Amino acid sequence: GENVEQHPSTLSVQEGDSAVIKCTYSDSASNYFPWYKQELGKRPQLIIDIRSNVGEKKDQRIAVTLNKTAKHFSLHITETQPEDSAVYFCAASMRNSGYALNFGKGTSLLVTP
Amino acid sequence: DGGITQSPKYLFRKEGQNVTLSCEQNLNHDAMYWYRQDPGQGLRLIYYSQIVNDFQKGDIAEGYSVSREKKESFPLTVTSAQKNPTAFYLCASSGTAWSEKLFFGSGTQLSVL
Repeated sequence: GENVEQHPSTLSVQEGDSAVIKCTYSDSASNYFPWYKQELGKRPQLIIDIRSNVGEKKDQRIAVTLNKTAKHFSLHITETQPEDSAVYFCAASMRNSGYALNFGKGTSLLVTP
Repeated sequence: DGGITQSPKYLFRKEGQNVTLSCEQNLNHDAMYWYRQDPGQGLRLIYYSQIVNDFQKGDIAEGYSVSREKKESFPLTVTSAQKNPTAFYLCASSGTAWSEKLFFGSGTQLSVL
C-alpha cells in the first residue's frame, strides 16, 4: 500500500485565493516532511520542509502544518499567483529505506487570473 | 544548479538492450538516490546508497542495477528485464542519509524505440 497519500490530485483556484494540499503518512518513525514544486519538464524544487519536533512553519505566502498524532501534514499557499501553477509533491522520510523520502502522487495546481 | 549532473537528457532504448544513466555530484554528499517518475504516479524510489560501495533496493528495484564505486557517482543501468522502462528518471543526493534535504538532478527521459 501507499506510505504517503496526497489529496487532491488536481486543484484549481482563482488568483488571490488560498490553496491547501493535504498528505497522510503511515510510518510513525517518519521525522522529516518536505514539499516540492515541479514545473513541467523540470526537476523538483524544495519549497518548504518541517521536522517532527515542529507543528507549523511559515515562509512568506507558504506554510506547512504537521499533526504527528494524526499522521498528516498540509501545505497552505495564500494569495496565490499564476506562477504558483505547478505540480506539488509532499514527502515523508521512511525508516525502512534508510530514511529516504517517500513521495505522494502529486497535486496539479492551476491558478487562473 | 544543485551540483548534480545527469546525462544524457534524452535516451532511447531498443528491445533487449541495457542502457546506463549517469549521475554525478560535486556536493560531497554521502547519500544518493534514484527515483522514477511516471505521469500521475509521483516519484518512486528505485535504489539508494548511503555510503560508497554500499547500496540498497527501493520500492521498484526489479529490472534495474546500480553501482557506487566513487562518492560522487551513482550510475543506474536499466536492464532488458525492465519491461516498461519509459519514464523520467531523477537522481538526487543529500548530505547524509538521515532525513535531509534532497538535491535533484535535471533528469533523464528514457523512451523505448
